[in-house]
Amino acid sequence: AQSVTQLGSHVSVSEGALVLLRCNYSSSVPPYLFWYVQYPNQGLQLLLKYTTGATLVKGINGFEAEFKKSETSFHLTKPSAHMSDAAEYFCAVNRGSSNTGKLIFGQGTTLQVKP
Amino acid sequence: SQTIHQWPATLVQPVGSPLSLECTVEGTSNPNLYWYRQAAGRGLQLLFYSVGIGQISSEVPQNLSASRPQDRQFILSSKKLLLSDSGFYLCAWSLQGDQPQHFGDGTRLSIL
Repeated sequence: AQSVTQLGSHVSVSEGALVLLRCNYSSSVPPYLFWYVQYPNQGLQLLLKYTTGATLVKGINGFEAEFKKSETSFHLTKPSAHMSDAAEYFCAVNRGSSNTGKLIFGQGTTLQVKP
Repeated sequence: SQTIHQWPATLVQPVGSPLSLECTVEGTSNPNLYWYRQAAGRGLQLLFYSVGIGQISSEVPQNLSASRPQDRQFILSSKKLLLSDSGFYLCAWSLQGDQPQHFGDGTRLSIL
C-alpha cells in the first residue's frame, strides 16, 4: 500500500529565507509524485509533478522538488520565501499504472512566512 | 482549456436536511472524477471517485452518496445531514491515471 508522510505540520520561515518542506513516501511500484498548494478557502493548485525522467522538477512560483528513490523522498524547496507563499502544502503519491488516478495525500504542512 | 466548476461556494444547512453539491468539468471528455472532504485543520479524505458514467466507488462508509448522471457531472448527496458532515468539500478531475488531479474551488458546508 502507498502512503505519504509530511514531516512537520507547521513550518515557519522568514521572508527571503530558504523554504524546505519534507515529504517521504512509501510505494511498492514506481511512484508518481505531486505537490499541491492550498490558500485559505480555496481548492488545491498543482505546484509540480514527478512522473519519469529528470529527478529534479521545477514548478510554479519558483518551487522545485527532487525525487530521491534511495531516500524515498520528494522534498519541496524554494530558495527565497515570499509573503505570498504562506499557505498549506500537500504532497501526494499516485500509483501511475492505476486507471483510477487516485491520490494518496499527506496530512499537509502549513507554511508561515514572517516579515 | 479545461475548467471545473463547483457550487455553491458556501452552504449552511440544518441537521437532518438533504444535500446536493454539484461539480461539472468543461473542455475534456471521460475524465476521472473525485469528491474529497477536508475537515478543519485536517488533510483530504477521498469520499468517492468515478472512472465513467454511472460508475461510482465509495472509499469510506458514510452518510453521503455520489452520482454521475453525465460524463462531466458529478453530484454529492445526502438524504439527512449530520453535524459530522460539516467541512470543506472539494471536487477534482483527472485524465489518465498518471496525470495530476485538478481541483475546484470547493464548497464550505456548515451544519447547524
